[in-house]
Amino acid sequence: QVQLVQSGAEVKKPGASLNISCQASGYTFISYYIHWVRQAPGQGLEWMGIINPSGGRTTYTQKLQGRVTMSTDISTDTAKLELSSLTSEDTGVYYCARSTFSMTLLPDHWGQGTPVIVSS
Amino acid sequence: DIQMTQSPSSLSVSVGGRVTITCRPSQSINNFLNWFQQKPGKAPKLLIYSSSTLQSGVPSRFSGTGSGTVFTLTISSVQPEDFATYYCQQSYSKPVTFGGGTKVEIK
Repeated sequence: QVQLVQSGAEVKKPGASLNISCQASGYTFISYYIHWVRQAPGQGLEWMGIINPSGGRTTYTQKLQGRVTMSTDISTDTAKLELSSLTSEDTGVYYCARSTFSMTLLPDHWGQGTPVIVSS
Repeated sequence: DIQMTQSPSSLSVSVGGRVTITCRPSQSINNFLNWFQQKPGKAPKLLIYSSSTLQSGVPSRFSGTGSGTVFTLTISSVQPEDFATYYCQQSYSKPVTFGGGTKVEIK
């Protein structure tokens, strides 16, 4: 079955960088996009961007431009999220999700989430 | 960016009751509207896509309607496992945007 398994919880200091991985299994990795979505404590869902594992093309939300980098490693079927210059406003749960090429912006399967705390 | 306005933000309902949640995008999105269910500490789960198509395995008590700028999610007879937060999401254009969520609580 389709699985997206994310790396574990992170605690970071302000100004540091965050790196999260998302290991895919149960489907052909390069045939689906990967999205990253985050959720601040008690808040709604915020889309961060999307990457096409076949070629690596990305689209990032304007809010995070310059701080976010999404990448994939097709040899290990892994997607990665890097977020730099962290502040307390980056605290929350980060999710990866996949979508089909025909329904590009519909995340149909999600990872379990990676909790992130940014605190001095 | 397309703003998604979801209402109500919360509601209370008894088991067996009926729930209707509304989502209004700031511009027409045809039928590119999806609904997710999220339980505490869990990832969102896709319930309905393209306004009215039930994701595989989702009970038929869930239904979605609408097009353009008004969409609704209905739960016809709420079950104990349906108490959760529901989000609408537009997949019409980037950036993807979500509604603010509707928390469905037990009365």
